[in-house]
Amino acid sequence: TQLLEQSPQFLSIQEGENLTVYCNSSSVFSSLQWYRQEPGEGPVLLVTVVTGGEVKKLKRLTFQFGDARKDSSLHITAAQPGDTGLYLCAGEKIGAGSYQLTFGKGTKLSVIP
Amino acid sequence: GAGVSQSPSNKVTEKGKDVELRCDPISGHTALYWYRQSLGQGLEFLIYFQGNSAPDKSGLPSDRFSAERTGGSVSTLTIQRTQQEDSAVYLCASSPGQVPGELFFGEGSRLTVL
Repeated sequence: TQLLEQSPQFLSIQEGENLTVYCNSSSVFSSLQWYRQEPGEGPVLLVTVVTGGEVKKLKRLTFQFGDARKDSSLHITAAQPGDTGLYLCAGEKIGAGSYQLTFGKGTKLSVIP
Repeated sequence: GAGVSQSPSNKVTEKGKDVELRCDPISGHTALYWYRQSLGQGLEFLIYFQGNSAPDKSGLPSDRFSAERTGGSVSTLTIQRTQQEDSAVYLCASSPGQVPGELFFGEGSRLTVL
């Protein structure tokens, strides 16, 4: 059973379009992180959200943490080819005892020029 | 370099052989993680080291997998008697140790077991 479900799994859009990807769980997380991974490289942190209902903006990217801290979304406005990559969400489980992040399978985004 | 360094970047081995993968974390980072990324899958947690504490080995898939971290710095992940299902990218990450913290990943070691 995948603790964090990401959707869609694949997304191919034209440059300039808007998109939203989702990260859902039945579990509550104390924090949630979004990473972007490009081919042949390791994931790179985009943002960490901690408070339920929190919204963070990073240029054209808007991240939201659900009120119940079980889900999150990433919205990209006017997508650019440079946004292409694998977007991974990762949750820190409350009471895990050991600090470890649980990752979703990711959304593979392709932005076509 | 200033980032997490992993070696080898690519390793092709025959089924049944042992392999060692190395991770050199960012200097001063107390936390070190190993993850496995298979095709079409997310990152699967393997093991976590924090300072001098006993490692969290709860993610190791079998007793063929082991890892050590010497002197609180460099870590080696060893896979004994490799199987084809061990083929994956093995990612190492380090963190300054605060919670929640950013994980800094290396580029990974791609393992192919023939």
